[in-house]
Amino acid sequence: GDSVTQMEGPVTLSEEAFLTINCTYTATGYPSLFWYVQYPGEGLQLLLKATKADDKGSNKGFEATYRKETTSFHLEKGSVQVSDSAVYFCALWGSNTGKLIFGQGTTLQVKP
Amino acid sequence: GAVVSQHPSWVICKSGTSVKIECRSLDFQATTMFWYRQFPKQSLMLMATSNEGSKATYEQGVEKDKFLINHASLTLSTLTVTSAHPEDSSFYICSASGPGSLSREQYFGPGTRLTVT
Repeated sequence: GDSVTQMEGPVTLSEEAFLTINCTYTATGYPSLFWYVQYPGEGLQLLLKATKADDKGSNKGFEATYRKETTSFHLEKGSVQVSDSAVYFCALWGSNTGKLIFGQGTTLQVKP
Repeated sequence: GAVVSQHPSWVICKSGTSVKIECRSLDFQATTMFWYRQFPKQSLMLMATSNEGSKATYEQGVEKDKFLINHASLTLSTLTVTSAHPEDSSFYICSASGPGSLSREQYFGPGTRLTVT
C-alpha cells in the first residue's frame, strides 16, 4: 500500500541555517504530495504541495520538488527562523485510495 | 478561504459519558470530511471518512459504535465519542475537502483536545 517515510527528528538548527527534511514515498498511480506544518497545540496547516512529477511547491521560503525518479519530496529552506520551530509532516494523496497518508512527522527546533 | 473550524477546542469529561465534537467548513462546501486521531508526538491516524448524506467509512480497527460520525450537511460533520474512557483521551482533528479538483486537498481544523478522567 501507499506509504510515506520521513527522516527522524528532532532536527535542531541555529537561526539562519539551511534546512532539509527528507521525505520518500511509495505509491501506485499518480499521487499528489504535500507538506503540512503543525505548531504546538494546533491543527495542521498546508505548507506547500505538488500535484505531478517535477512540480516545485513553495511557500514562505520553503520549497520541495516532486521527484518521481527518486520517489522523493524533500523539504528545504535556505535560512530558518525561530518561528519555523514546529512539526512538519510529509503526506501523499493516493489517487487510488482517495486518502491522505502521512509520514511520522519531523520536529524542527530552531535556536536563536 | 478554505477555513475549517472545530468546536470545542478542548473538553474534559468523566469516564462513561459521551462527547460530541463539531467540524464545520466555513467558506466552502465539504463533500467529504475526515476524522483523525493524534497521539502525543505521533502522526495522524485516519479514523473515518464521511461523505455528506451517507454513512461514514471507518478504518480498520476503529469501533464504529464507539466513534459515531454524522455528516448531515455540506458544512457540518460531528464525531461523538460514546461512553468515553481514559484511553480515548487524544487530540482529534477533522479535515474537509471540496468537490472536483478540490478533492485532493484537505483543509484541517485546529483540533480538539479530549481528556477523559
